[in-house]
Amino acid sequence: DVKVTQSSRYLVKRTGEKVFLECVQDMDHENMFWYRQDPGLGLRLIYFSYDVKMKEKGDIPEGYSVSREKKERFSLILESASTNQTSMYLCASHPDGAGANVLTFGAGSRLTVL
Amino acid sequence: QQPVQSPQAVILREGEDAVINCSSSKALYSVHWYRQKHGEAPVFLMILLKGGEQKGHEKISASFNEKKQQSSLYLTASQLSYSGTYFCGTEGSDAGNMLTFGGGTRLMVKP
Repeated sequence: DVKVTQSSRYLVKRTGEKVFLECVQDMDHENMFWYRQDPGLGLRLIYFSYDVKMKEKGDIPEGYSVSREKKERFSLILESASTNQTSMYLCASHPDGAGANVLTFGAGSRLTVL
Repeated sequence: QQPVQSPQAVILREGEDAVINCSSSKALYSVHWYRQKHGEAPVFLMILLKGGEQKGHEKISASFNEKKQQSSLYLTASQLSYSGTYFCGTEGSDAGNMLTFGGGTRLMVKP
């Protein structure tokens, strides 16, 4: 089975701290995504990457950056965390290929910024 | 623009049926449905493609009306295991495989 692993399930950080959320997938997928999940707002795309060192902004990239140095790893970075970034963050991946955009999600990282 | 899901929440008794709707303001190529159980990752249920057939997964099926840019998820004879939050993800006809998700529908099935 495809597995997407998010290293931290729960994090508590202070305002202004730099935060790293890590995501690793083990099925050689080219495409990786970071979503933010908030009640009533569903899943909103922050950034995605279709190849190593490539990144594209999603719908809500402000306050976030990403890094993809290896194919299997996609990191979300909050340069200076703020309380409005308290949320659940979901990583997902899918392979290349027509009709192949079925996402496999990680279990999520719940971030609280105090 | 995010698709709109309705209802936002629904409570059922075991064995009852439910319909969850997903409506978009733009032309669609495909609609995906995912279910997320509490504390777990969202899991893919099914995909409906433009010009495709109605799909089914156990006693869960879905339809896609391309002209109305709408999809509906039908849960028949619901089981306790159906509880969770259901998301539709839509792919626009010119979106290049990017999905936009709705706000989710929280479903609770009671014994």
